[in-house]
Amino acid sequence: SQQGEEDPQALSIQEGENATMNCSYKTSINNLQWYRQNSGRGLVHLILIRSNEREKHSGRLRVTLDTSKKSSSLLITASRAADTASYFCATERSNAGNNRKLIWGLGTSLAVNP
Amino acid sequence: DTEVTQTPKHLVMGMTNKKSLKCEQHMGHRAMYWYKQKAKKPPELMFVYSYEKLSINESVPSRFSPECPNSSLLNLHLHALQPEDSALYLCASRTSGSRVTEQYFGPGTRLTVT
Repeated sequence: SQQGEEDPQALSIQEGENATMNCSYKTSINNLQWYRQNSGRGLVHLILIRSNEREKHSGRLRVTLDTSKKSSSLLITASRAADTASYFCATERSNAGNNRKLIWGLGTSLAVNP
Repeated sequence: DTEVTQTPKHLVMGMTNKKSLKCEQHMGHRAMYWYKQKAKKPPELMFVYSYEKLSINESVPSRFSPECPNSSLLNLHLHALQPEDSALYLCASRTSGSRVTEQYFGPGTRLTVT
């Protein structure tokens, strides 16, 4: 089941520009993760932010989390053509048996034009 | 070794065939996942195994039968599939326990049901 929505659904920018993607979710979370997927391939984990964190950096990536608004943003600075991919946010939830699963957003398709 | 491998990469099968997808990881992860992904959509969780026991079944039709023979292997047995089951099937793994960690994904098996 999906609880997240990302916007924009598609984003096209020039190399060197920054790309910002947003993710909203509906229920309380343990953490929020961002993944990248190149066309038709497996997903690659980018960054994880815990519910008690507000901002996190990893290389050219900056993630923010606002639990009061139930939203997160992913900023990719100085984009490259190789950043062309789909980006998904995912929130982690545990069920009654403490089994964890990820609830996925709908994804943002990013195209970085050389 | 931080890799999840999946075989085969591509599979074409008829609706009366029986086939299996295989997933392997040697990272010592004790939680393993099967996802189904349609084009331009987020992954949909199908099954979760924790310590070789099925812990989550997301109401998946019985024509999909998972199996976890040991802590490194995860299989998905397919029988009497429908054309709408054509999709990218992704396997993932993560460490178990209370520590928050990301999921590692395999490259997927592209399944076409004719």
